[in-house]
Amino acid sequence: DTGVSQNPRHKITKRGQNVTFRCDPISEHNRLYWYRQTLGQGPEFLTYFQNEAQLEKSRLLSDRFSAERPKGSFSTLEIQRTEQGDSAMYLCASGTYEQYFGPGTRLTVT
Amino acid sequence: AQKVTQAQTEISVVEKEDVTLDCVYETRDTTYYLFWYKQPPSGELVFLIRRNSFDEQNEISGRYSWNFQKSTSSFNFTITASQVVDSAVYFCALSEAYQRARQLTFGSGTQLTVLP
Repeated sequence: DTGVSQNPRHKITKRGQNVTFRCDPISEHNRLYWYRQTLGQGPEFLTYFQNEAQLEKSRLLSDRFSAERPKGSFSTLEIQRTEQGDSAMYLCASGTYEQYFGPGTRLTVT
Repeated sequence: AQKVTQAQTEISVVEKEDVTLDCVYETRDTTYYLFWYKQPPSGELVFLIRRNSFDEQNEISGRYSWNFQKSTSSFNFTITASQVVDSAVYFCALSEAYQRARQLTFGSGTQLTVLP
């Protein structure tokens, strides 16, 4: 069990650019979650996959955000036309009743 | 809608002191789950415990113990004989069984600093 992994760990981008993050969940977990965490706050739910199906999306997930989980394995989260307000830690989690989190991708939009 | 409140923003104790972190939750669901996570300075959230709403038994794991009281909608976390390595942000979270995703709703966290 290698845990949840995320890449890249850090991303600095200029406003208006597109970015993509990757999450590799624990292999036997069919539930996968994306959360966003800003400084001094708890994580906030963005979206949920069961296998390859995206079954739940938060209203926080604007139309500039898109997530996929092809073949029910790894997942990607893409942000188009980044804004400074997108700067945050993006966390991926997988699990059944408990959710196990990856180390996160810290996005800085300049 | 569900809500988790951690009123203690920061707590500072001296090593070997006991410390209790408070968590109060709101939910309309009768079946729900409560969690505690630890986020050390390295940043990765570490799962500590899950309790379901039907099990009000307190739990002890080493120096950690949890007190779940449905009557006051609280799920408090006590660290006995604190150590410097316990310094971290601790999050309480809630998920509701009726939600398909069972996503976690987190409190804002309590920053615990244990001084040597």
